[in-house]
Amino acid sequence: DQQVKQNSPSLSVQEGRISILNCDYTNSMFDYFLWYKKYPAEGPTFLISISSIKDKNEDGRFTVFLNKSAKHLSLHIVPSQPGDSAVYFCAARENSGGYQKVTFGTGTKLQVIP
Amino acid sequence: DAGVIQSPRHEVTEMGQEVTLRCKPISGHNSLFWYRQTMMRGLELLIYFNNNVPIDDSGMPEDRFSAKMPNASFSTLKIQPSEPRDSAVYFCASRAGYSNQPQHFGDGTRLSIL
Repeated sequence: DQQVKQNSPSLSVQEGRISILNCDYTNSMFDYFLWYKKYPAEGPTFLISISSIKDKNEDGRFTVFLNKSAKHLSLHIVPSQPGDSAVYFCAARENSGGYQKVTFGTGTKLQVIP
Repeated sequence: DAGVIQSPRHEVTEMGQEVTLRCKPISGHNSLFWYRQTMMRGLELLIYFNNNVPIDDSGMPEDRFSAKMPNASFSTLKIQPSEPRDSAVYFCASRAGYSNQPQHFGDGTRLSIL
């Protein structure tokens, strides 16, 4: 049972345009959400996060939006650059039994075309 | 500032053999995670340690998998006996405590079981 879903395995965007990566979740106990970026042959690296008490968090070219009622979050990259080409993982955290458990989605591969 | 260090980077072995993956977390981080990445399931949490104590091992696929953390600077993930379906990339990550700090990932071990 996949609690965090990234339904688009891949996405292609022209350089300079907006990239929108989507993520849906089913567990209403998730209280914190994160996006990670992963280049080939490297581990994921943290990109941006958002608490469930907010609906938007912005960091430079990256903005994460959270719609709690729809259990949906999205990552916007504007403008997209070729160096943004990577796999993006959505992750969600819950406090479970006194500790924090993070669940990852399956990832979306973004290709930014020069 | 050394990140999470995993070894080996690549491992190719025949089925039935014992495989040991190693991880050195970031100094001062007291939480350590083992993940497995596959195309179908994305990043799956296998086991999570806090202060060297296993907190949640519900993601460990079966008894052939075991993990230890004998001290704060070292952890192992062992598969015995290995099977072809264990082929995947295995990541180790560490995090500083219960804060909103994100997990920091190593570059992974690519395991191929023939």
